[in-house]
Amino acid sequence: SQTIHQWPATLVQPVGSPLSLECTVEGTSNPNLYWYRQAAGRGLQLLFYSVGIGQISSEVPQNLSASRPQDRQFILSSKKLLLSDSGFYLCAWSVGHTNEQFFGPGTRLTVL
Amino acid sequence: GESVGLHLPTLSVQEGDNSIINCAYSNSASDYFIWYKQESGKGPQFIIDIRSNMDKRQGQRVTVLLNKTVKHLSLQIAATQPGDSAVYFCAEDGGSNYKLTFGKGTLLTVNP
Repeated sequence: SQTIHQWPATLVQPVGSPLSLECTVEGTSNPNLYWYRQAAGRGLQLLFYSVGIGQISSEVPQNLSASRPQDRQFILSSKKLLLSDSGFYLCAWSVGHTNEQFFGPGTRLTVL
Repeated sequence: GESVGLHLPTLSVQEGDNSIINCAYSNSASDYFIWYKQESGKGPQFIIDIRSNMDKRQGQRVTVLLNKTVKHLSLQIAATQPGDSAVYFCAEDGGSNYKLTFGKGTLLTVNP
């Protein structure tokens, strides 16, 4: 069966520090991968998605970037965090041209 | 732009009652719809989906109804239990093969 992992689960970082969040998927090949951000009490905002290794589509221009160095690995990064980067970051996967997406447990990021 | 929205941001029901959560969508190109359940501090969990060639689909204690004429989607939960307390999101594909657009969410509270 397929599983999706995210780490760390929680993170507290100072303004201006770098960020690296990692997501990995097991049990499937060539998944579509997604990064979402969720502000407190709000909906999900799609940040990036990838349909293959090295391919990244950016949905919202901002302080973040994404990379996909391996088939089942998706990384969200920032060189300098802003206070507004605080939120709940969710990774998700889907397969092929289906839109049924499965979510990871999320990372709670607090920027102070 | 086109969007997915919810009629009610909060819903409070008694244990054992049936719950109905509503969602309006405006993108006529949407072909696929999903309902997700998100418990506090966790990632969204897939509940049930429906394609535009159907108007009803049933799962275990849940039913999704799709009215394409008025672009309305609803989730019905039978015999609501305390464990059903969560935020429920509808999502549509907007005609995309890869992306979902999420609504703002409805907080369901089940009173014992």
